[in-house]
Amino acid sequence: NAGVMQNPRHLVRRRGQEARLRCSPMKGHSHVYWYRQLPEEGLKFMVYLQKENIIDESGMPKERFSAEFPKEGPSILRIQQVVRGDSAAYFCASSRTSISGANVLTFGAGSRLTVL
Amino acid sequence: KNEVEQSPQNLTAQEGEFITINCSYSVGISALHWLQQHPGGGIVSLFMLSSGKKKHGRLIATINIQEKHSSLHITASHPRDSAVYICAVPRTGNQFYFGTGTSLTVIP
Repeated sequence: NAGVMQNPRHLVRRRGQEARLRCSPMKGHSHVYWYRQLPEEGLKFMVYLQKENIIDESGMPKERFSAEFPKEGPSILRIQQVVRGDSAAYFCASSRTSISGANVLTFGAGSRLTVL
Repeated sequence: KNEVEQSPQNLTAQEGEFITINCSYSVGISALHWLQQHPGGGIVSLFMLSSGKKKHGRLIATINIQEKHSSLHITASHPRDSAVYICAVPRTGNQFYFGTGTSLTVIP
C-alpha cells in the first residue's frame, strides 16, 4: 500500500508559466482533498473531489486555479500563469469516504512550488 | 477567535521529558485528528479519535467531548519527535478547521 503519492515533490516555475501537481490517492480511496500551506502559515482547504466530480471548490481561487480527478489517473491541481504568491506547499489527502464522517484522512508528502 | 486553538505555539523540551500539547475547539465534531508535520514538510495522520483515549507507541491522545478539548501526550520524548503537531476537526462541506500547530523541538 503505497499511500498517497504526490509528484513532483519540488517544482520551480517562472512567473507566467503553468504548474501541474499530481496526486494519486491511496488504493480504495475515492475522495481527494487539496490543501495549500503558505510559508509560516497553516493548512488551508482548496478543493474536494470525488471521481470525475468537483464536490467543493470554495477554497480555491476563482482564477488561474483548476482541479480535476478523472475516472482514470491521478487528481491534478493546475495553476495557470503562476505568480510569486503561488509559492507554497500543496498537500493532497485522500479518504475512503467523506470526512464529514469520522474517517481517516491520509496525506501525501506534498509538492513544493517555487515561483521565481 | 479561531474554531480550533492549540497551545503552546512553541515548545522546547529535553530528551526524555513528558510532553503535552493541547487543543480546544468550539464546534460540534464527529472526530478530531492529530497530524504531525515533519521538518521536511510531509504530514502524517497520527490519530483520529471521537472519544476516550488512543495510544500508539509513545504517543497518547485523549479527548473530552463535553469540554471540547483534546490533548496529545508524548512520553519519553526523543529528538526525532521534533515536528509541528496540528489538531484538526472536520467541518461541514468536507473541510477541516486546522489549529495553527505546535512546533516541538526536543533537545538531546
